[in-house]
Amino acid sequence: DAKTTQPTSMDCAEGRAANLPCNHSTISGNEYVYWYRQIHSQGPQYIIHGLKNNETNEMASLIITEDRKSSTLILPHATLRDTAVYYCIVRVWDGGYQKVTFGTGTKLQVIP
Amino acid sequence: DVKVTQSSRYLVKRTGEKVFLECVQDMDHENMFWYRQDPGLGLRLIYFSYDVKMKEKGDIPEGYSVSREKKERFSLILESASTNQTSMYLCASSGGGQGIDTQYFGPGTRLTVL
Repeated sequence: DAKTTQPTSMDCAEGRAANLPCNHSTISGNEYVYWYRQIHSQGPQYIIHGLKNNETNEMASLIITEDRKSSTLILPHATLRDTAVYYCIVRVWDGGYQKVTFGTGTKLQVIP
Repeated sequence: DVKVTQSSRYLVKRTGEKVFLECVQDMDHENMFWYRQDPGLGLRLIYFSYDVKMKEKGDIPEGYSVSREKKERFSLILESASTNQTSMYLCASSGGGQGIDTQYFGPGTRLTVL
């Protein structure tokens, strides 16, 4: 799986959009970008994934650059409950059974 | 919504005890995984299973065994618990298909071995 680089930490004011960047310059053509988050002392929670088109669901939006070397997760109106560590991972599914490998992620602190 | 449940949120056991951690998923997923998560070491795969009665070793299987008798249930067994097995244990499941392999995680079991 391609390596990703994320900032260690970020702050965001409550109610504002949180934009979390991720660099994955070595991504290959069949690798998906996934985002998970982990709230303190809980299991990781799947947020969203994409291949090359921008994606949106009820939790977030995912913007992937045209060259696919980076992406941004957007939480449109951050709340205190969005305080968590956010992990960006890239992985390919080839029909096998692959583990998820998290890096250090970005610790997002939403400030009242 | 996919739901993955784990039998306990917190567990305290003594060294040498046999420990069972249970995981149940309700989405008819083929694949199930057991990880442990430790500060500074990230998420490490212990065992996974891609079908009933099938199991494969992950990166750190020593000291653990697993059982998958039914599709929805995947058990992690610590045959003789040791203090270095104190950790957060996470179960996950995935259904795969169509080039997508989203893993859904349970809430975790924080195990302390005294």
